[in-house]
Amino acid sequence: DTAVSQTPKYLVTQMGNDKSIKCEQNLGHDTMYWYKQDSKKFLKIMFSYNNKELIINETVPNRFSPKSPDKAHLNLHINSLELGDSAVYFCASSPADKNQETQYFGPGTRLLVL
Amino acid sequence: AQSVTQLDSQVPVFEEAPVELRCNYSSSVSVYLFWYVQYPNQGLQLLLKYLSGSTLVKGINGFEAEFNKSQTSFHLRKPSVHISDTAEYFCAVSDLQGAQKLVFGQGTRLTINP
Repeated sequence: DTAVSQTPKYLVTQMGNDKSIKCEQNLGHDTMYWYKQDSKKFLKIMFSYNNKELIINETVPNRFSPKSPDKAHLNLHINSLELGDSAVYFCASSPADKNQETQYFGPGTRLLVL
Repeated sequence: AQSVTQLDSQVPVFEEAPVELRCNYSSSVSVYLFWYVQYPNQGLQLLLKYLSGSTLVKGINGFEAEFNKSQTSFHLRKPSVHISDTAEYFCAVSDLQGAQKLVFGQGTRLTINP
């Protein structure tokens, strides 16, 4: 039983392409997040959604557009991919948008832009 | 704004030896404190968190951490490590109020040698 799942696990693509990463959680959580982990393992939040509403948007280029069709899904669409977008992208969820909550992470999507 | 510094990027130890992973934070307000672990090619999972009360927090897999407000530290310890503890460890902080936004340290790679 995968709690937070992401597809695809690996994504290799050319500069300038548009790609999407999907995330689903079966924990019944209200809040979902996207994080970017760079090549030095530094992890930074990109977006958070609570009940399908955007809560946090952390100075991410507008080429990145999250979409939450329902509270169990948070997808990430990236337009005009650049070399610097190469990273591991993690989806996470938490029961509610409260600061003491534990976040549950997916396995990550490894994006390589050539 | 908060920041987190993990003082050691890599910590090699022998199996069954004790280990301490150091974490210092900077914040003008009170914070919640977290330690997450990332096993190779996996997402992060919570080891333990400090919200309030006793400054000594016990987590999973025999880990514990001590919150020291005067030194703004939250060091992670384990009295006897196993090969299976080899992983990347992340310290993180969160505001007490507002939307949950975890700010992570740079990570410490713990390598256990037989």
